[in-house]
Amino acid sequence: GQNIDQPTEMTATEGAIVQINCTYQTSGFNGLFWYQQHAGEAPTFLSYNVLDGLEEKGRFSSFLSRSKGYSYLLLKELQMKDSASYLCAVKDSNYQLIWGAGTKLIIKP
Amino acid sequence: SQTIHQWPATLVQPVGSPLSLECTVEGTSNPNLYWYRQAAGRGLQLLFYSVGIGQISSEVPQNLSASRPQDRQFILSSKKLLLSDSGFYLCAWSVLGTGGNTEAFFGQGTRLTVV
Repeated sequence: GQNIDQPTEMTATEGAIVQINCTYQTSGFNGLFWYQQHAGEAPTFLSYNVLDGLEEKGRFSSFLSRSKGYSYLLLKELQMKDSASYLCAVKDSNYQLIWGAGTKLIIKP
Repeated sequence: SQTIHQWPATLVQPVGSPLSLECTVEGTSNPNLYWYRQAAGRGLQLLFYSVGIGQISSEVPQNLSASRPQDRQFILSSKKLLLSDSGFYLCAWSVLGTGGNTEAFFGQGTRLTVV
């Protein structure tokens, strides 16, 4: 079956750096997405990786290793507004998005 | 620019009552359309997707159905709601085609509580 694993919850301090990991086992791979979802709201797109390596976008970076079935989302200079759930999703061989359960990130002052 | 509208934002319905959630997309033609459900603390579960008018694919057997009467309109329905239908329902769209970097854009979501 298809499976995407990410930690259920993480806690970090305002101003610090946090890395949220995602491992996947899917039937085929056509890209990996990270989304941010604030409580009670819809997910919003953060990043996309299809080749190995690091993609940087402001305070957020996303890394992919296809051989390891592994990605991480790196958040720098954490702000209180970064408190949210972060969802990892992979497009499989049918170009359908397979979703992880999300990582709830709690930012403390 | 493209926008997606989903309503209502919240809904409380009794068990056994019907359901109709509507989603419309503006600013694009022939999008792929999706209905997801998200249970508390869980990931997104794909319920239905559509690549064109009248074309509906169901991912999970359930008490729900979907229809696409117009190119940019997607409707989620039920004839008789169950308690287990409670959840956060999200409509989404993506560009037509199999391009890998086509992310999904979500509507605001509908919080459905079946009582």
